[in-house]
Amino acid sequence: GESVGLHLPTLSVQEGDNSIINCAYSNSASDYFIWYKQESGKGPQFIIDIRSNMDKRQGQRVTVLLNKTVKHLSLQIAATQPGDSAVYFCAENMSQAGTALIFGKGTTLSVSS
Amino acid sequence: GAVVSQHPSRVICKSGTSVKIECRSLDFQATTMFWYRQFPKQSLMLMATSNEGSKATYEQGVEKDKFLINHASLTLSTLTVTSAHPEDSSFYICSALGELADNEQFFGPGTRLTVL
Repeated sequence: GESVGLHLPTLSVQEGDNSIINCAYSNSASDYFIWYKQESGKGPQFIIDIRSNMDKRQGQRVTVLLNKTVKHLSLQIAATQPGDSAVYFCAENMSQAGTALIFGKGTTLSVSS
Repeated sequence: GAVVSQHPSRVICKSGTSVKIECRSLDFQATTMFWYRQFPKQSLMLMATSNEGSKATYEQGVEKDKFLINHASLTLSTLTVTSAHPEDSSFYICSALGELADNEQFFGPGTRLTVL
């Protein structure tokens, strides 16, 4: 189902700040979650993923946290840069079924220098 | 990493005409591809699941006779918008399911359709 709640449609930060983008997912059977970055006029770009057997995963400057109890997903971006300005979507699916991803509503991140 | 292309990147057509959009997996075989539609300032909405050699599965509310999907090979799926109308103007994005069992999907760059 479509993600609802616990997200801000827009987030404005200063360059160098840490950003936190939240997402609530609806399907308790989902076991695979991904964050995508989408720049204007382009397709989604993979940032980081996490499976339901984990609650935290770190990448380069990014961290994803998963709270299955409240069905909440967050993306933390450290030392946010102007190039991070984009729309960020969380997506979910049931990996075993090979099904399509269900996308959340998205948060527009604006980074000012 | 796996690459998915779409062609054309943008197209403008007159109302009532048909438009075909291609989605290709360039360096891997994809038995399953997905078609999404994205209206301005909205999220990606799944339209249909395209399986090689079989009929596509459409999401509720998506007209299969209007949005024709053909997945004739392991590297190509096409979406044809028939009798296009201005309300069909949107950003169409495909994704392809990778060959590995990790369920990773690879997205194309999208096609901007404008119907006049």
